Amino acid sequence: NAGVTQTPKFRILKIGQSMTLQCTQDMNHNYMYWYRQDPGMGLKLIYYSVGAGITDKGEVPNGYNVSRSTTEDFPLRLELAAPSQTSVYFCASSYSPGQSVEQYFGPGTRLTVT
Amino acid sequence: QKEVEQNSGPLSVPEGAIASLNCTYSDRVSQSFFWYRQYSGKSPELIMSIYSNGDKEDGRFTAQLNKASQYVSLLIRDSQPSDSATYLCAVNNNNDMRFGAGTRLTVKP
Repeated sequence: NAGVTQTPKFRILKIGQSMTLQCTQDMNHNYMYWYRQDPGMGLKLIYYSVGAGITDKGEVPNGYNVSRSTTEDFPLRLELAAPSQTSVYFCASSYSPGQSVEQYFGPGTRLTVT
Repeated sequence: QKEVEQNSGPLSVPEGAIASLNCTYSDRVSQSFFWYRQYSGKSPELIMSIYSNGDKEDGRFTAQLNKASQYVSLLIRDSQPSDSATYLCAVNNNNDMRFGAGTRLTVKP
């Protein structure tokens, strides 16, 4: 199993551009998550999904959109990129909807908006 | 506002010593608690989870939870240079996972 994969690894965007960060998991996990991590900070939840066709906002959803058309894929869309979106983005997945929710993280995408 | 607080460090301990990492949280109804290790430039990896009051041991790691005090800690015994990393405390309630900013640990040979 590859686990959770993310593409691209690095990206530089100009202000106002758009892009999609890709995330795929091959563990048949129902739950998937997008986090951002600013330098020296913890992770903040952007969006999460409890299954195909179902998404919900996390702590910091503004400026982002997601979709979940399959169990495996959970892309994150940035519209009109802003310098405040410069961050490292992590995708994660988990199997259990219960409280014993161990999340498996992808390697991250480092995004710079200039 | 649901907060998870950690001392940012850096915490420096000699090889073989016990490293003690602390975390407090504000959401009283939080139900599950996690410690993640994150090496520089890498993604977080889960090292401990704890759900009920008391201690939970796994090898050199012991997690301690006190829900009344809203406090969770991680002890690392016989610290090794390879334990040098940032340790993130995470607190979950119904998929609302909140992370602390992390404590940077350095283990000196």
